[in-house]
Amino acid sequence: DIQMTQSPSSLSASVGDRVTITCRASQSISSYLNWYQQKPGKAPKLLIYAASSLQSGVPSRFSGSGSGTDFTLTISSLQPEDFATYYCQQSYSTPWITFGQGTRLEIK
Amino acid sequence: EVQLVESGGGLIQPGGSLRLSCAASGFTVSSNYMSWVRQAPGKGLEWVSVIYSGGSTYYADSVKGRFTISRDNSKNTLYLQMNSLRAEDTAVYYCARVTHDCSGGSCYFRTDPWGQGTLVTVSS
Repeated sequence: DIQMTQSPSSLSASVGDRVTITCRASQSISSYLNWYQQKPGKAPKLLIYAASSLQSGVPSRFSGSGSGTDFTLTISSLQPEDFATYYCQQSYSTPWITFGQGTRLEIK
Repeated sequence: EVQLVESGGGLIQPGGSLRLSCAASGFTVSSNYMSWVRQAPGKGLEWVSVIYSGGSTYYADSVKGRFTISRDNSKNTLYLQMNSLRAEDTAVYYCARVTHDCSGGSCYFRTDPWGQGTLVTVSS
């Protein structure tokens, strides 16, 4: 199985901050990497696919980068509605996809 | 509007069976890859199973031989039959569509949208 490791596990930040979340794969996955946002009690929502493509309807303050084993999700200017948990997910070994453990983004 | 609505969750004793349903609207289930993903209380996301448009099915090792994914084309509905349930199967179960874009021989899969989830609690 391909293991996905996110860092940090939790993060405190303020509205307006620039935030970066990192995801590392246990082997090279090219650009087969997606990012999801999940708010408490809600289903995950796709933000970024293929490492850097912005899903339709997602604000442009969200961006993704990376390839191989190291990836980042960046929020350029945090908004109140962005406080949530973020998950990376590899699709390299489809159908056996795996998720990172999640990064909880909290208000400072 | 593309929408998925799960149902069928509840409290079940260890060793019991349960069938989850996922009614789709705005798209055709049989023309898409459809997946189940679960989330144990306070934990992360775990992929459970997928059914391809051609009918091929795949399962996580943790559920293989106990869970069965299927679909009813006439009802545009996805199912997950869960047998021999264990305490560690307790989770919110989400159904989701898996879409993909292919270029240059590479296909990039993504899971979107997701249903609202249905809670399965396995306990005596």
